[in-house]
Amino acid sequence: DAGVIQSPRHEVTEMGQEVTLRCKPISGHDYLFWYRQTMMRGLELLIYFNNNVPIDDSGMPEDRFSAKMPNASFSTLKIQPSEPRDSAVYFCASSLNGEAISGYTFGSGTRLTVV
Amino acid sequence: SQKIEQNSEALNIQEGKTATLTCNYTNYSPAYLQWYRQDPGRGPVFLLLIRENEKEKRKERLKVTFDTTLKQSLFHITASQPADSATYLCALMGGNNRLAFGKGNQVVVIP
Repeated sequence: DAGVIQSPRHEVTEMGQEVTLRCKPISGHDYLFWYRQTMMRGLELLIYFNNNVPIDDSGMPEDRFSAKMPNASFSTLKIQPSEPRDSAVYFCASSLNGEAISGYTFGSGTRLTVV
Repeated sequence: SQKIEQNSEALNIQEGKTATLTCNYTNYSPAYLQWYRQDPGRGPVFLLLIRENEKEKRKERLKVTFDTTLKQSLFHITASQPADSATYLCALMGGNNRLAFGKGNQVVVIP
């Protein structure tokens, strides 16, 4: 398995533009998570899905953020409009179960810079 | 509020010595605790899990302890090697299946 695949690896955009981050989880993993990492706040859980259904989006910072999982092999995180304070590394992770007994498998992340 | 605290200062250690990292937590009642490794430009990689009824867990040169009374976990890398240089994060499961991470502690192994 190629692991969790995220695209793009780097994204530089201007304030006000729409940004879409993409994720392909490991096949067979029922849970998908979106995290954001900054120096100040560390890794923060934004939202997670179970069987393509959003379960907890309480970490989504504002209405400008939205996430979808149209099928078991694809998820997107969209920011519209983007702001400089959204600059961070965004990680997607997947797991076999929500209890994380086997740990989460993370992608390599998307480094977002909003100028 | 819930907190997971790790030392923000990098740990510089001579090759061959044992590196010890600390993870303290507040207002969690975790059934288990996890440790991850993160290299620059990469996502965290799961290393091991220790349950609340386990005092100690080993995996190769790694050893983890878990003290639910002290609300603390210690992470040891024995016979450290330059390839062990990375940031190590601890993680706990909070409410509603939300896995929360500490900010991580960087280890630098000096040859």
